[in-house]
Parts: sequence; C-alpha cells; structure tokens
Amino acid sequence: DIQMTQSPSSLSASVGDRVTITCRASQSIGNHLNWYQQKPGKAPELLIYTTSTLQSGVPARFSGSGSGTDFTLTISSLQREDFASYHCQQTYSTSPLTFGGGTKVEIK
Amino acid sequence: QVELVQSESELKKPGASVKVSCKASGYTFTSYVVHWVRQAPGQGLEWMGWINTYTRNPTYAQGFRGRFVFSFDTSVSTAYLQINSLKAEDTAFYYCARQAVAERGFDYEYWGQGTLVTVSS
Repeated sequence: DIQMTQSPSSLSASVGDRVTITCRASQSIGNHLNWYQQKPGKAPELLIYTTSTLQSGVPARFSGSGSGTDFTLTISSLQREDFASYHCQQTYSTSPLTFGGGTKVEIK
Repeated sequence: QVELVQSESELKKPGASVKVSCKASGYTFTSYVVHWVRQAPGQGLEWMGWINTYTRNPTYAQGFRGRFVFSFDTSVSTAYLQINSLKAEDTAFYYCARQAVAERGFDYEYWGQGTLVTVSS
C-alpha cells in the first residue's frame, strides 16, 4: 500500500497568513495527488486534482505543487472561510486508494 | 446536476446489521463506479472500496473484506453499503462518492452528505 503522510496534523494561523501543508507519499506517485477541504459536519469537497489543477470555483489563493513523493498545498492569504480540515489523496494506485491523515487549520 | 443523497443516521447494537443507501441522480448510474469512504469521529478519511455499476464487480480495501458488502439497484439508481456483525469500532460517518469524469481518474467531485452509523449497546 502507498502510505500518505501529511504534516502538520494541525496548525493555528491568522487571517491573512500564508499557510503550507505537505503530503509525502511512501513511493513515487507521479502527479496523482488530490486535495480536499472538509468543514465540520460536512462532506469533503475537491479543491485540487492532479497536484496543481484547481477545481472549478476554488479561489486562486489555493495552489498545489510537487511531484513524485513530495507535495504541497498552499493558501496564499488565509481567509475566515478557509478554517477547515484538509486531506490529500493519492490515486496512482487503486490497491488501495489512500488518504493522508488530514490537517486541521484553526484560528490563532 | 449530479447529486448523491444518503440515508439518515443509524443507531445499532453490537452484532446487528445496517444498510446505508446512496441515491444518485443527474447522470447515468451505470456510467460511473460508486466509492465508499469511512471517517471515524475526529479521524481522517479511509477508502473502503468501490462497486462497478456496469460489471457489478465490487472491490474492497483490505480492512473491509468480510463484514462489508457493496451492492446496488439500477432501477432506483441507488448504491448500498451493508455492514454485518457491527462492532463499536464501526462507529463512523460513511460517505459515498463519485469521480468527476471517467477520463480524469479518481478525484471525488461528488459526495453524499454522509451517514453516521453509531454502534452502542
């Protein structure tokens, strides 16, 4: 199985801060990496697919980068509505598909 | 528009069974596989597997073989997740999900709202 390790597991930040979340795969997954945002009590929502492509409607302050084993989700200027949990997912191998452990972004 | 609507929350006793439904609309049901994802309270997302609504073939992740059963009814465009011999550790939100488009891989653009299954005596 491909293990996905996200860091940090949680962080505190202020509105306007630049926030970076990393996701590391246990083996190379090319660019087959997606990011989801999840707010409390809600289903996850697709933010970014294939490493860096923004899903329709996602603000441009979100960006994704990386390849191989190391990936990054960046929020350039954190907004109040961005306080949520973020999950990475690899789709290189479907045996099984795997998610990272999640990162909770809280208000400082 | 594509929509996945799941059944309501369930409270079950250990050893019982539960069947969660996921009703799809806005697309041809047999054109996309349906995935299932589990999220224990306060935890991350865990992929359970999928069911191919064209071939009827289910695929289960390692930890979900045996007590978990995926099925569907094409006549009502609904996928089902049945969990048998429930244990306390099955307490979680269960989500159905669908990929955006077949050519793009397994990024889940569409999600059900989630069904909370609580197992408690």
